[in-house]
Amino acid sequence: DAGVIQSPRHEVTEMGQEVTLRCKPISGHDYLFWYRQTMMRGLELLIYFNNNVPIDDSGMPEDRFSAKMPNASFSTLKIQPSEPRDSAVYFCASSRGTRRNEQFFGPGTRLTVL
Amino acid sequence: QKEVEQNSGPLSVPEGAIASLNCTYSDRVSQSFFWYRQYSGKSPELIMSIYSNGDKEDGRFTAQLNKASQYVSLLIRDSQPSDSATYLCAVNTGNQFYFGTGTSLTVIP
Repeated sequence: DAGVIQSPRHEVTEMGQEVTLRCKPISGHDYLFWYRQTMMRGLELLIYFNNNVPIDDSGMPEDRFSAKMPNASFSTLKIQPSEPRDSAVYFCASSRGTRRNEQFFGPGTRLTVL
Repeated sequence: QKEVEQNSGPLSVPEGAIASLNCTYSDRVSQSFFWYRQYSGKSPELIMSIYSNGDKEDGRFTAQLNKASQYVSLLIRDSQPSDSATYLCAVNTGNQFYFGTGTSLTVIP
């Protein structure tokens, strides 16, 4: 059974460019989460979806960040324009249910903004 | 005050010893509690979940929850070098999901 799939695994871009990160959750999981991890701030929840609907985006740092989930098997996190402080590892995770929420993480995308 | 707090470590224990990792949380309505293990350069991996007060054992791992004290711990018995990793405590309040910054554990052969 395939786990959470993320692409690309590494992304290097220049300040001001648009960056799109992609995620395919585990089949049958109805929750999808986007996280950002840095040494300074640890693992931060950015946004999560339930049945393709955004539930809580209070962790999205600013309007430059947006996320979509057009269907149950695909989600994107977009940064436009990107800035050097956006450099981090971005993880996507999925789960089934919410109250007993055991999340399975993808391998992450390491983003470097020059 | 952070929602979830952990000692960052590093915590070093000799092989075969018991490693004790601790976590406190601030939101009393927190419902579910988790421990994730993260190896350097890898993604977090769920190793334990606990929902009720008391102990829950799974192999060499025991999670302990005390909701009155807002405290969660993870004990690793017979520690192995392969247990060397960062351990993240996570809490689900029902509406939000918070992670601690993690405790780095090194098991010395």
